[in-house]
Amino acid sequence: GDSVTQMEGPVTLSEEAFLTINCTYTATGYPSLFWYVQYPGEGLQLLLKATKADDKGSNKGFEATYRKETTSFHLEKGSVQVSDSAVYFCALSDLAPGSNYKLTFGKGTLLTVNP
Amino acid sequence: GAVVSQHPSWVICKSGTSVKIECRSLDFQATTMFWYRQFPKQSLMLMATSNEGSKATYEQGVEKDKFLINHASLTLSTLTVTSAHPEDSSFYICSASGGRYEQYFGPGTRLTVT
Repeated sequence: GDSVTQMEGPVTLSEEAFLTINCTYTATGYPSLFWYVQYPGEGLQLLLKATKADDKGSNKGFEATYRKETTSFHLEKGSVQVSDSAVYFCALSDLAPGSNYKLTFGKGTLLTVNP
Repeated sequence: GAVVSQHPSWVICKSGTSVKIECRSLDFQATTMFWYRQFPKQSLMLMATSNEGSKATYEQGVEKDKFLINHASLTLSTLTVTSAHPEDSSFYICSASGGRYEQYFGPGTRLTVT
């Protein structure tokens, strides 16, 4: 079945540092890929997405590129802020007919950014 | 837009009792709702998928008689944990979709069974 593996945290950075959170996936078809973010006390929010190979998703300074050859979707940000402290989840969506676009999640990576 | 609420946010119940968790889409019609369970420091595990007016589809290993899901309207789905036991203590999260791939998530409900 489909699976998502992301780097384990926690990750602690200083403000303005560069962020990379690795994510690799296994899927039988050609899934869409997502990064979700969960701020403390809130529900998951879609951060960015990519629906086909070589697509780059971007939002709020975060980027991730759908790499089919390496089955990866690593999340990057050039300069993190304290407000980026949250749990980040990599996920893929099963686009098979009748799947209801079911999501498969990685375990999540806790990011803490210190001032 | 696309707000999903859950109620209650936290519930404590005694072993053997049942507890109901509500999930509402506040500003859109949710044709599909999903229920997840999240253990500490672990991923979200999909429990079931429900389409409005239809029976829920449960993932392998999820007891459908224990976790009753009802999706009677386009804005409300409920999860009832029947005869709860301490091992059912967890964080339950719902999400809703208006028919496209994007899911909108509720803030979650923490269930503690004593």
